[in-house]
Amino acid sequence: DTEVTQTPKHLVMGMTNKKSLKCEQHMGHRAMYWYKQKAKKPPELMFVYSYEKLSINESVPSRFSPECPNSSLLNLHLHALQPEDSALYLCASSQGDEQYFGPGTRLTVT
Amino acid sequence: LAKTTQPISMDSYEGQEVNITCSHNNIATNDYITWYQQFPSQGPRFIIQGYKTKVTNEVASLFIPADRKSSTLSLPRVSLSDTAVYYCLLGGGATNKLIFGTGTLLAVQP
Repeated sequence: DTEVTQTPKHLVMGMTNKKSLKCEQHMGHRAMYWYKQKAKKPPELMFVYSYEKLSINESVPSRFSPECPNSSLLNLHLHALQPEDSALYLCASSQGDEQYFGPGTRLTVT
Repeated sequence: LAKTTQPISMDSYEGQEVNITCSHNNIATNDYITWYQQFPSQGPRFIIQGYKTKVTNEVASLFIPADRKSSTLSLPRVSLSDTAVYYCLLGGGATNKLIFGTGTLLAVQP
């Protein structure tokens, strides 16, 4: 299984809602990542987990809260988001230099 | 982290060879050069990676000169399905922190 899965595929939420994005991989990769991608822009790194510990936080606002419950799962908890947070959120995993990306969650904040 | 520069867009026709060049004058000694492909509303997909000289796999070749200040992705005999954005990235190492550049939109016409 060389796939990274993400749920939900689409999410619409209000600015006062709390929601979570989920990412899963069963390739035994020990590094997992969250990226944010706006339309016609490259992906921007948000967080990196290595061996289930947060190793990189690219100065992301606290309304985004990552969680790595185990080596196969990565969550991104969302609270009090702004309309400008609307984007494609990509998850990736790696064991070495090649990152495998999921299809992303298209998030719209209203 | 080193910055990369790529052409914003390129046009080609089916069956032609396409070469996309990336400039990275400030590449670090431990940086690998990696190329990803991305279709609209999908996660990026790994194409090829190298450190120096030439690397070839089943889909592409990567040419890296001795000074490593640039690299060229070569796609042989492109088809319509190769229309996508291609990103050149530098990174790797312990954190595997990848920074995406602006990318090159390749449009393949019949």
